[in-house]
Amino acid sequence: DAKTTQPPSMDCAEGRAANLPCNHSTISGNEYVYWYRQIHSQGPQYIIHGLKNNETNEMASLIITEDRKSSTLILPHATLRDTAVYYCIVFRFPNAGNNRKLIWGLGTSLAVNP
Amino acid sequence: GAGVSQSPSNKVTEKGKDVELRCDPISGHTALYWYRQSLGQGLEFLIYFQGNSAPDKSGLPSDRFSAERTGGSVSTLTIQRTQQEDSAVYLCASSPTGETQYFGPGTRLLVL
Repeated sequence: DAKTTQPPSMDCAEGRAANLPCNHSTISGNEYVYWYRQIHSQGPQYIIHGLKNNETNEMASLIITEDRKSSTLILPHATLRDTAVYYCIVFRFPNAGNNRKLIWGLGTSLAVNP
Repeated sequence: GAGVSQSPSNKVTEKGKDVELRCDPISGHTALYWYRQSLGQGLEFLIYFQGNSAPDKSGLPSDRFSAERTGGSVSTLTIQRTQQEDSAVYLCASSPTGETQYFGPGTRLLVL
């Protein structure tokens, strides 16, 4: 599975958009980009995922570059409750065997400030 | 509906003792994962169950670690002869198909 690179930390003002970048330059054609977040002392929470088209749901938007080597998670109006560690993960649909594990890095610690 | 639940929420044990950690997945989810997370670190994959297929045990760090999933539902992670380096948060996730995962709150294990 491809590795991802994220900045270790970011700050955002409450009410502003938070744009979290992720590099996945070795991504292959059948690998999806997933985003999760982990609020302190809780289990990770699924946010959004995509293959090559931009995606939007009630939580966030995901912008994937045309070459798929990077993506950006956008929280359009960040609140204090969005303070968390955000993980970008590249995930390959299994084409053989049961290899469905995700490889997690250290993520981006987002601090939303009042 | 009910999410993934894990028990106990916290466990303190002495070095050398065995521990069992339980995961109750979301009803109907065929896939179940175990991870551990050491302080300040990302998630480390341990084991994956999918339906009746043989589990993917490739992430288990040693033969002291084992896991079962009975009846395709509840799973138990067992750590034998615990060591201090086993101290971590153990997270369970379930998935309807194996891709998008829904996590439980974790079990915080402290080995003294």
